[in-house]
Amino acid sequence: AQKVTQAQTEISVVEKEDVTLDCVYETRDTTYYLFWYKQPPSGELVFLIRRNSFDEQNEISGRYSWNFQKSTSSFNFTITASQVVDSAVYFCALSEAQGNDYKLSFGAGTTVTVRA
Amino acid sequence: DAGITQSPRHKVTETGTPVTLRCHQTENHRYMYWYRQDPGHGLRLIHYSYGVKDTDKGEVSDGYSVSRSKTEDFLLTLESATSSQTSVYFCAIRPGTAGAEAFFGQGTRLTVV
Repeated sequence: AQKVTQAQTEISVVEKEDVTLDCVYETRDTTYYLFWYKQPPSGELVFLIRRNSFDEQNEISGRYSWNFQKSTSSFNFTITASQVVDSAVYFCALSEAQGNDYKLSFGAGTTVTVRA
Repeated sequence: DAGITQSPRHKVTETGTPVTLRCHQTENHRYMYWYRQDPGHGLRLIHYSYGVKDTDKGEVSDGYSVSRSKTEDFLLTLESATSSQTSVYFCAIRPGTAGAEAFFGQGTRLTVV
């Protein structure tokens, strides 16, 4: 079984504030992959980042950064100096890599609203 | 952009009627998925396919069936539509390599009245 929990339903910030989105996952496998997707108001789903279970190195891409910690089964996402264009629903997802079980399971999503 | 098309994009149907949604890809990807998106629930997996004629259930498969007779097409059928199946449905495709990201279609908004 696999499960992804995004405990924060909605976050509202003022522009230029930092915002951190939490993602906690459950899996019995040692090999798995974690993802973050963004869904802007227009509705499409956009891939942001992938991490495999053997790579705990944190990553920074522009104003986005990700903190992967296997010890706490967390894969958190931070937007630094938020902008109005960051307003979207953000989804964390988990995929296990064994056999044919290439399910891709998503959390419930966190709605981020950035106010000008 | 990944070559993935969902049809129709919008549909209104009556309770009790069968409905088929189509997902078509031009990427020759191995994996195809159907999700539904509802407020408070995020994206929930309905069914997925890992090859032609190879499908498996997701977490909310009751009332839905799927078929994949060709690599490029993955059909989702609501055998007898109910109001609880009013939702936005997304199809996704994914290569066969472990850890590859999925690419999503534009979604189909289905309303069952």
